[in-house]
Amino acid sequence: DSGVTQTPKHLITATGQRVTLRCSPRSGDLSVYWYQQSLDQGLQFLIQYYNGEERAKGNILERFSAQQFPDLHSELNLSSLELGDSALYFCASSPRADGGASGEKTQYFGPGTRLLVL
Amino acid sequence: AQSVTQPDIHITVSEGASLELRCNYSYGATPYLFWYVQSPGQGLQLLLKYFSGDTLVQGIKGFEAEFKRSQSSFNLRKPSVHWSDAAEYFCAVGARVTGGGNKLTFGTGTQLKVEL
Repeated sequence: DSGVTQTPKHLITATGQRVTLRCSPRSGDLSVYWYQQSLDQGLQFLIQYYNGEERAKGNILERFSAQQFPDLHSELNLSSLELGDSALYFCASSPRADGGASGEKTQYFGPGTRLLVL
Repeated sequence: AQSVTQPDIHITVSEGASLELRCNYSYGATPYLFWYVQSPGQGLQLLLKYFSGDTLVQGIKGFEAEFKRSQSSFNLRKPSVHWSDAAEYFCAVGARVTGGGNKLTFGTGTQLKVEL
C-alpha cells in the first residue's frame, strides 16, 4: 500500500458525459500527479499540482482539467468523453514540486481508476 | 526531451532462472531512474530507484539494477525468478520541467511470464 488513495476504482459511463476522479496523496506529500495508461499510448503524464498550484503540464487534452484543494486532495475532471478516453488513470504523489533532494524525487502511485466509456 | 526504451515487449523465463530486463534512456542531464512493477489489475509499485552515487542499486523483492552512464542503460536483474514475479515492468526517467515541476517518462513496459 503506497498511501495514495483513488476513488472510484471503476467507472463506466457513456460518450459525451463528464466524470470526476479523486485522489488523496500520501500524508505529508504536497505534489500530486496524474497519469493516463492506455493500450495505444502507454503511460503518459497528464498534469502536476503542488500545494494547490499547477506546476507541470503534459499531454492533457483541453477537455480534461484538474485541481488540488487546500486539504491537498486532487480531482481530475474529464468532460465530453469519447471512446478513446477509456483508460486507467493513476494519481501519484511526492513531497516536493521539482524533485528536490534525492529522497524526495520518488513518486508513489495509487491503485488507479479504470474508466470505461461506452 | 527525455525518453525511455524497453526493447523487450515480452519475456518468458523459467522459475528459478535469472532475469534481466533492459532499459535505455535518453536525457540531457544526470537522470534519476526508476523501475516500477504492475501486477494484473493493480497499480504501480516502486521496485527501486537511482539518483546518484553507487551505480548498483538494490530494491524490493530481491531485484537490483545497474546504472551505466556510458551505455545510457538501467537494466533490472534478479538472480532467481519466482512465479509471483510474473507482471509488467516499467522503467521510468524523471526530469524537471519548466515552471518548477517534474514528471516521469515511462517506457512501454516488458511483460514477464514465468514458466513453472
